[in-house]
Amino acid sequence: DADVTQTPRNRITKTGKRIMLECSQTKGHDRMYWYRQDPGLGLRLIYYSFDVKDINKGEISDGYSVSRQAQAKFSLSLESAIPNQTALYFCATRGAGNTIYFGEGSWLTVV
Amino acid sequence: QKEVEQNSGPLSVPEGAIASLNCTYSDRGSQSFFWYRQYSGKSPELIMFIYSNGDKEDGRFTAQLNKASQYVSLLIRDSQPSDSATYLCATSAGGTSYGKLTFGQGTILTVHP
Repeated sequence: DADVTQTPRNRITKTGKRIMLECSQTKGHDRMYWYRQDPGLGLRLIYYSFDVKDINKGEISDGYSVSRQAQAKFSLSLESAIPNQTALYFCATRGAGNTIYFGEGSWLTVV
Repeated sequence: QKEVEQNSGPLSVPEGAIASLNCTYSDRGSQSFFWYRQYSGKSPELIMFIYSNGDKEDGRFTAQLNKASQYVSLLIRDSQPSDSATYLCATSAGGTSYGKLTFGQGTILTVHP
């Protein structure tokens, strides 16, 4: 089983709809992240959380919100999806060392 | 200017050659530097990280760091077709930024037989 699991893996949604991407991890890590990847732009940080009570905005948080329901769970929501939020989304965790563990990614298409 | 800038690519090298990937960064507070490999549609996987000026070698991969020039590079010796992927450079600062990675846009590498 994957250490970092994202659901759904693929989703097509309509403009204006609310969509939630879920992430769960079995690593026991405190730090969790949501990144977005667009062609030619690398990965950009949306939100990050250092523990359940510590949530921070990243460089592109507008239009997104997050919830850290437990140490193992970190969800990303698009309250009203728009087409330019079409992207590949990655959840990631980091422990005490330098290794960041990425989930397999969630492809989101907003039509 | 982007915080982390990579050579634009795509980069194409013949099998067996050395591939050289370059990255510059603007934040002098950056303390850790990472190279990730990403196959199409897959998640990034860590190849190497480096903290100190100089070279760090791991098998066919060598990371080079020059903090004065704010420059990081990755050399891949004896390149193989399986090395064909997008390579992402990332930096991490200390303090309250610990754990946040800032990525470059990636360089696509193709190794042709």
